[in-house]
Formats: sequence, C-alpha cells, structure tokens
Amino acid sequence: SQTIHQWPATLVQPVGSPLSLECTVEGTSNPNLYWYRQAAGRGLQLLFYSVGIGQISSEVPQNLSASRPQDRQFILSSKKLLLSDSGFYLCAWSGGRGGPEAFFGQGTRLTVV
Amino acid sequence: TQLLEQSPQFLSIQEGENLTVYCNSSSVFSSLQWYRQEPGEGPVLLVTVVTGGEVKKLKRLTFQFGDARKDSSLHITAAQPGDTGLYLCAGWKGNTPLVFGKGTRLSVIA
Repeated sequence: SQTIHQWPATLVQPVGSPLSLECTVEGTSNPNLYWYRQAAGRGLQLLFYSVGIGQISSEVPQNLSASRPQDRQFILSSKKLLLSDSGFYLCAWSGGRGGPEAFFGQGTRLTVV
Repeated sequence: TQLLEQSPQFLSIQEGENLTVYCNSSSVFSSLQWYRQEPGEGPVLLVTVVTGGEVKKLKRLTFQFGDARKDSSLHITAAQPGDTGLYLCAGWKGNTPLVFGKGTRLSVIA
C-alpha cells in the first residue's frame, strides 16, 4: 500500500532563517506531488506541484521554492523565512492517470518568530 | 476568484441532528471529492463523485453530485461527535491540480 511521510511535524524558526521540509512517498511510482499551505484551519492554498523529477509548477509567487530530486521525494525550501510564512504545510500525492484523488501527509506546523 | 464556494463556513449542531453542507461552482468538473480534516492532521478522502446526478452513501453520510457537475452536497444523518471536523470539497478538471473550497467547519455537541 502507498504511504506518505512528511517531516518534521512541528517547527519553530526565526525570521531570516532557511527552511527545508521533506516529503516522501512509498508504494507508488511517478506520482504527482503537491505542497499546500493552510491558514487558520481553512482551505488549502496550492503552492507547488510536480508531475515528474525536476518538473515544478509554481502557483503562487512567494518566498518559497520546491524541488523534486527523486521520483518520490518532494522538498519545500526557503532561503530566508518571513513571519508571513507561518502556517500548516501539507504534502500530498495523487496517482495521475490513476485518478485525481489526493492523499495527504500529516502536515508540518511552521511558526516563524 | 474562489472556484468552489462552500457553505456554511461554520456549523454547530447537537448530537442526533441532521445537516447538509454545500459546495458550489460556476465551473464544470470532471469529478468532485469530499475530504474530512481533523485538527493537526492532513485531510482524508471520503468520496469521489464522477457522474452528474450521482449519489453515494458512506454509512450516515450521503454525497450528491449535481446534474450539471457544478455542485455537490454532503448530508449527514444523526450527527455524532465523531463527525466533528473540517469538510473540504475539491474539484478536478482533468490534467490539472485539484481545486479546493475553503471548507465547512462542523462541530457536533454531545
């Protein structure tokens, strides 16, 4: 069965520090991968998605970047965090041709102080 | 522009009551999904509806896809405290990422 791992679960970082959140998927190949941000327990804002290694689409211009160095690995990064980067970050995968259903990781609660 | 509008935004009801939440759009979707999210966790898929007019049941939850595939509803019968959570609808147009609504936060009071 497929599983998705996202870490860390919580993170407190000072303003101006770098960020690296990692997400890996097991049990499937060539998944579509996504990073979402959720503010105040409300809807999901799509940040980045990837349909293959090295292929990244950005939905919202901002202080963040994403990379996909391996088929089942998706990384969210920032060189210098801003206070406004605080939020709940979710990684997800979908099966592409297998259907649009998204399967989410447990999320990372990021607090920038 | 929010493609998917969910209503109500918040709902607080007593255990045993029935409720319906809505997901509306002016766009046509190939399919629409419902997720439930609990605090501090990722959303979990409940159901996918694909055909216009389709009705799916999951125990006490009934999901309906509009005939024109632009809207959907979720009806919960005899709500229980375990139903508490954030309900999100998401639409798919094919070869594009899911579009999520802002969610309905449901609180069921024992």
